[in-house]
Amino acid sequence: GAGVSQSPRYKVTKRGQDVALRCDPISGHVSLYWYRQALGQGPEFLTYFNYEAQQDKSGLPNDRFSAERPEGSISTLTIQRTEQRDSAMYRCATTWGTSGTDTQYFGPGTRLTVL
Amino acid sequence: KNEVEQSPQNLTAQEGEFITINCSYSVGISALHWLQQHPGGGIVSLFMLSSGKKKHGRLIATINIQEKHSSLHITASHPRDSAVYICAVKETSGSRLTFGEGTQLTVNP
Repeated sequence: GAGVSQSPRYKVTKRGQDVALRCDPISGHVSLYWYRQALGQGPEFLTYFNYEAQQDKSGLPNDRFSAERPEGSISTLTIQRTEQRDSAMYRCATTWGTSGTDTQYFGPGTRLTVL
Repeated sequence: KNEVEQSPQNLTAQEGEFITINCSYSVGISALHWLQQHPGGGIVSLFMLSSGKKKHGRLIATINIQEKHSSLHITASHPRDSAVYICAVKETSGSRLTFGEGTQLTVNP
């Protein structure tokens, strides 16, 4: 497709379960960012990659959160032992360059609900 | 105090009015982004600024680096402009963006 895609679009899980959220970047985009957005709030940075290298993971809230991008394309954000406070919209965004000043193209997000 | 603050939080206007949304930040930046979040949730990048002014259609974005302030203006507003407008800054070091909480704009016909 032409844009950034994310799957699943909606995920409902029970507390304690692990979830994996996927981001497919625009072809050729080298930087990929993960954000979390609570209802009524702006997005909050989680982590980002240049190619396959994770450049900054300082926004990951705790060690239950991890992300990978093994081949520099598709990325997976994994949340282990989910808690109700993890419920949010998880978005990824990609850019064609690595400078950080390029236009970010956002995916539609995955709405995660932890029961 | 948030590093990025937007005002107002909510704005209601009548169709045709001139709209201004403000963004102030407290850190050194290399770029500032204005984003639009549609009622359906999708986010679209409107502008990226490092200085001066940019214009696209009815939208104008300005930035004053010395005053650490940016404004987004919408001329001849239309109900389809109703959305959340978000300001985000890229700090001088690193590539992460820090976002404001957004301004909910409603334009009534």
